[in-house]
Amino acid sequence: GENVEQHPSTLSVQEGDSAVIKCTYSDSASNYFPWYKQELGKRPQLIIDIRSNVGEKKDQRIAVTLNKTAKHFSLHITETQPEDSAVYFCAASIGSGGSYIPTFGRGTSLIVHP
Amino acid sequence: GAVVSQHPSWVICKSGTSVKIECRSLDFQATTMFWYRQFPKQSLMLMATSNEGSKATYEQGVEKDKFLINHASLTLSTLTVTSAHPEDSSFYICSAPGTSGVAAQYFGPGTRLLVL
Repeated sequence: GENVEQHPSTLSVQEGDSAVIKCTYSDSASNYFPWYKQELGKRPQLIIDIRSNVGEKKDQRIAVTLNKTAKHFSLHITETQPEDSAVYFCAASIGSGGSYIPTFGRGTSLIVHP
Repeated sequence: GAVVSQHPSWVICKSGTSVKIECRSLDFQATTMFWYRQFPKQSLMLMATSNEGSKATYEQGVEKDKFLINHASLTLSTLTVTSAHPEDSSFYICSAPGTSGVAAQYFGPGTRLLVL
């Protein structure tokens, strides 16, 4: 089955700095890569996603890049703010139509110091 | 749109009792729902895939007789933890896939279970 590795497990930055979280996956058939943000005790919320036919996607301060050849994808957050502090999970999914079953990375605890 | 609710949000029970957790899709139909377990500071671990009108598919290592799943309708899936023990204490989250080709999962708010 799919295996997703996520690094680092903890990331501490100063407000205004950039943060980068990296994930690798094992199954070359994976074709959908979402990123979720989970605040303490709350549900994971989708923040950005990318499909395998796209190399990069950006949404304001958040961007995701995908390298299919190397089987890795990364989340980039620029101009970090204290409210960005949370646990971030990457996931790799195989599917089509309305059926994608994600395999999650272990999560990265991002701490943004004001 | 695509709101998923869970009930209860938290539950405390005695060892040996059974606990039922409900997962509802409020504004869409879900033929498939997923159940995850999350221990503190750990990732989401898929327990089982709930299929409306058929048996659930369990991940390796998950006891199907202990974690009973029933997908009774297109908007409701239930997870029953039978004969709960302290090691079953965890955060249980359900999710449903998006509709109309949306690939993202929509998560419920989670149920925190504490077994004494």
